[in-house]
Amino acid sequence: KQEVTQIPAALSVPEGENLVLNCSFTDSAIYNLQWFRQDPGKGLTSLLLIQSSQREQTSGRLNASLDKSSGRSTLYIAASQPGDSATYLCAALMDSNYQLIWGAGTKLIIKP
Amino acid sequence: EAGVVQSPRYKIIEKKQPVAFWCNPISGHNTLYWYRQNLGQGPELLIRYENEEAVDDSQLPKDRFSAERLKGVDSTLKIQPAELGDSAVYLCASSPWGPGELFFGEGSRLTVL
Repeated sequence: KQEVTQIPAALSVPEGENLVLNCSFTDSAIYNLQWFRQDPGKGLTSLLLIQSSQREQTSGRLNASLDKSSGRSTLYIAASQPGDSATYLCAALMDSNYQLIWGAGTKLIIKP
Repeated sequence: EAGVVQSPRYKIIEKKQPVAFWCNPISGHNTLYWYRQNLGQGPELLIRYENEEAVDDSQLPKDRFSAERLKGVDSTLKIQPAELGDSAVYLCASSPWGPGELFFGEGSRLTVL
């Protein structure tokens, strides 16, 4: 059974730092992996989607990588800003049945 | 282009009352999802539609929850009767097709008293 884990559950860093959020999955038979951002009381916003054949995707200050063999994905945020404060969730889409398996998220706080 | 639209944004009801949530997906998106999310947790799938067909409803508590997606466009999720444990945010999402990128609505926050 696929399990997706995000560690740490919460992270607080000063503004301007580069940081990495981690997402690990137990079953490498994934179709894609998607990173989302969720602000308090809001829905989820898609940040980056990495297909299983890809190694990384970039959007502005965000870079997501995927290593299927090790069961890991990372979300790199460069030059963090207070506006980056939110909960970041990753979700792995299974090859076999297109089920989306979610991590519980990492709550990120960027201190001004 | 309009995003996924959900209503109502907030709903407060007493237990045993019925409640319904509505979702209009992004135009042209064939796949529609209903999720439930509790505080501090990831979303939990309730039901997934491909066009008008429910292809995964294994997590839907069918004794009190029902959903429909008439004509393969907008969808309604109903709870009857509501229980205290149903308090959560109900999220609707759509994607162009099964394994495509997901786009979420703002969610409907339900409080059952």
